Amino acid sequence: KQEVTQIPAALSVPEGENLVLNCSFTDSAIYNLQWFRQDPGKGLTSLLLIQSSQREQTSGRLNASLDKSSGRSTLYIAASQPGDSATYLCASNQAGTALIFGKGTTLSVSS
Amino acid sequence: DAGVIQSPRHEVTEMGQEVTLRCKPISGHNSLFWYRQTMMRGLELLIYFNNNVPIDDSGMPEDRFSAKMPNASFSTLKIQPSEPRDSAVYFCASSRGASNTGELFFGEGSRLTVL
Repeated sequence: KQEVTQIPAALSVPEGENLVLNCSFTDSAIYNLQWFRQDPGKGLTSLLLIQSSQREQTSGRLNASLDKSSGRSTLYIAASQPGDSATYLCASNQAGTALIFGKGTTLSVSS
Repeated sequence: DAGVIQSPRHEVTEMGQEVTLRCKPISGHNSLFWYRQTMMRGLELLIYFNNNVPIDDSGMPEDRFSAKMPNASFSTLKIQPSEPRDSAVYFCASSRGASNTGELFFGEGSRLTVL
């Protein structure tokens, strides 16, 4: 059964810093890898979706990469801002299955 | 277009009572998912439907939980009888296409507290 791990559980950085969030998964036969953002008391907002045939996706200051052979994905945030403070979750699925989520990394960006 | 709509947003009930959570997926989406989120266990898949048919309900904790999708625009998750350990945030999500092909969109969640 697929397992998704995100380390660290929490991260604090000063405003303006570039940072990388990590996600690892146990089974490389994934179909999709999706990154989400969750603000306190809110639902999840989709940030980026990487399909198995892709290596990366970009949206604004966000870049997500996928390396299936090593079972890893990273979310790169450039020039972090206090508004980026939230919990970031990654999730992956395999053929015929729903997304399995990691427990997330809670990011705090101080001004 | 409206997103995934869930109701109620908050529910406080006493142990033993029946709880019904409701979800309206995004129009045109044919896959619907119910997840539960707790601090200890994170987000767990309970059940998902494709074209109104349950595909995987292996995450449903026990017989006290049941889910239905009578049509493409409505789903319910019912807990009967409820227990304090059911306290969690329950999320509904939907996507276009089969379970593993589309981007997943979430509702705002239903926060359940069982006393």
